[in-house]
Amino acid sequence: GQNIDQPTEMTATEGAIVQINCTYQTSGFNGLFWYQQHAGEAPTFLSYNVLDGLEEKGRFSSFLSRSKGYSYLLLKELQMKDSASYLCAVSDSNYQLIWGAGTKLIIKP
Amino acid sequence: DGGITQSPKYLFRKEGQNVTLSCEQNLNHDAMYWYRQDPGQGLRLIYYSQIVNDFQKGDIAEGYSVSREKKESFPLTVTSAQKNPTAFYLCASKREGDTGELFFGEGSRLTVL
Repeated sequence: GQNIDQPTEMTATEGAIVQINCTYQTSGFNGLFWYQQHAGEAPTFLSYNVLDGLEEKGRFSSFLSRSKGYSYLLLKELQMKDSASYLCAVSDSNYQLIWGAGTKLIIKP
Repeated sequence: DGGITQSPKYLFRKEGQNVTLSCEQNLNHDAMYWYRQDPGQGLRLIYYSQIVNDFQKGDIAEGYSVSREKKESFPLTVTSAQKNPTAFYLCASKREGDTGELFFGEGSRLTVL
């Protein structure tokens, strides 16, 4: 079966760095996405990785290792507004997205 | 500005009633999707449509129906056959040929009383 695993909840301090991991087992791979979702709102696109390595975009970076079926989202200089759920999704061999359950990130002052 | 509009944002329904959730996009996207989101679970695909007048069942289509008569519109009907319809419903669209980034509407929260 297809499976995406990510931690249910994480807590971090304002101004710090946090890494949210995602491991996957899917039938085929056509890229991995990270989305941010504030409570009661729609998910918004953060990043897309299809090749191994690190993609940096401002305070957010995303890493992919296809051989390990592993990705992480790195958030630097955390702000209170970063409190949200972070969703990992993999595009499978049919270009359909398989979604993880999301990681709820709590930022404390 | 282009975007996706879902309505209503909140909806209450009595058991045995059908309800229709609206999804309209002016992004000129070909593909549109309906997802259901429940606490502690990933987004689950209900139906998707890659072109007008054509749609495909997703992983949890039972108890739901859709239509795609216009490119801009992809309404979802939650029928009385859906046993546990209380959930947050998300509509999304995607351009063909893109890497796969989805654009989401604001969501519709359905509560069955």
